[in-house]
Amino acid sequence: QVQLQQWGAGLLKPSETLSLTCGVYGGSFSGYYWTWIRQPPGKGLEWIGEINDSGSTIYNPSLKSRLTMAVDASKKQFSLKLKSVTAADTAVYYCARGGPYCTGGNCPFDYWGQGTLVTVSS
Amino acid sequence: DIVMTQSPDSLSVSLGERATINCKSSQSVLYSSNNKNYLAWYQQKPGQPPKLLVYWASTRESGVPDRFSGSGSGTDFTLTISSLQAEDVAVYYCHQYYSVPFTFGPGTKVDIK
Repeated sequence: QVQLQQWGAGLLKPSETLSLTCGVYGGSFSGYYWTWIRQPPGKGLEWIGEINDSGSTIYNPSLKSRLTMAVDASKKQFSLKLKSVTAADTAVYYCARGGPYCTGGNCPFDYWGQGTLVTVSS
Repeated sequence: DIVMTQSPDSLSVSLGERATINCKSSQSVLYSSNNKNYLAWYQQKPGQPPKLLVYWASTRESGVPDRFSGSGSGTDFTLTISSLQAEDVAVYYCHQYYSVPFTFGPGTKVDIK
């Protein structure tokens, strides 16, 4: 059974860098796209971007200038950094797995982490 | 960006009755080379991450009860719950994974009448 477990700081000040990591347990890491999605409190879902096990990334253009994703395949982990955060970045952040029903990086998300509430406040 | 809209915003249905949720994309999500619609449906209960129900518009994810079904093609899609159960109370989202940025509908809240 695949499980995604995520961790990172939950309270940030404006202009700081959001940093989250997601670990993959119980399944293969290679051959999948690993994704970050966020959900502001009481609102809908926003796709942030994805990375594969080789480190190839696809970012949401609206966040691209502030975004960095990385992967450590040996540890079966992937990470998200979002710099210069503002209150508008306050959200529950989810990691998720793309696929296996994929063509390239175009995937639905079949396994999700538990979510991390990140609050940006001075 | 492909904009996803859903209707209705919320839906109250009696136990055992049918629930129908509509999703419309601002452009087609049908890829002609493989004849697949890049459209998925998710169920989200309070305090939980979304759960994948349907992908390729009409393929049910493993373990999902067969009362959930997806249909549609191109720009118009439907998720049907054939006989609503108490555990189906949730928000349902459609999602296009045809083109970047991948986008979601605003959600439809389903509860018991």
